[in-house]
Amino acid sequence: DGGITQSPKYLFRKEGQNVTLSCEQNLNHDAMYWYRQDPGQGLRLIYYSQIVNDFQKGDIAEGYSVSREKKESFPLTVTSAQKNPTAFYLCATTPLGGVSNQPQHFGDGTRLSIL
Amino acid sequence: AQSVTQLGSHVSVSEGALVLLRCNYSSSVPPYLFWYVQYPNQGLQLLLKYTTGATLVKGINGFEAEFKKSETSFHLTKPSAHMSDAAEYFCAVSLLFGNEKLTFGTGTRLTIIP
Repeated sequence: DGGITQSPKYLFRKEGQNVTLSCEQNLNHDAMYWYRQDPGQGLRLIYYSQIVNDFQKGDIAEGYSVSREKKESFPLTVTSAQKNPTAFYLCATTPLGGVSNQPQHFGDGTRLSIL
Repeated sequence: AQSVTQLGSHVSVSEGALVLLRCNYSSSVPPYLFWYVQYPNQGLQLLLKYTTGATLVKGINGFEAEFKKSETSFHLTKPSAHMSDAAEYFCAVSLLFGNEKLTFGTGTRLTIIP
């Protein structure tokens, strides 16, 4: 089945540690997005990528990094500089980059907690 | 810049009653509007979208929404609530001349009373 796979489902981070969240898609979509979800705040955009080897900061990029070396993969690293990383992280895709009327397709998320 | 306001972070309705979830947007150019549903510990699923054309949009699971430009609203309705409708609902907006970024509202948690 075509879809978006986020792993792991649950992740724990120690103080000062970097952790990487995986997002893989087999939908052949060009654009990929990372969101952070906190209770009562909706979804906030961290980074997005319209094509391979290119990505842009979203509204809350500080303390995060990404790469887009392959079309199907868009990993998110939560660095030690992110002081409040506890949240639910969602990856999404759209068929084309730069087209505003496309709905986004979402993975099932990764819940990150601090030990 | 665009923004979305969802009135009511929590809404409770009885099973079989009308569901009304409110969404107002702000944008200086024609918007594209979306409603998504999220079940616990899952991602978001598209319910319906308005891009152009008919202002009354029908979606999945019996939901519909009407785009009212004069009121800058895109409220979500369902005539008869079912227990399986209990979830969190998000309204989102992107812009015709934007860069495809979605701006989400803060969400409304819908509880169904048996």
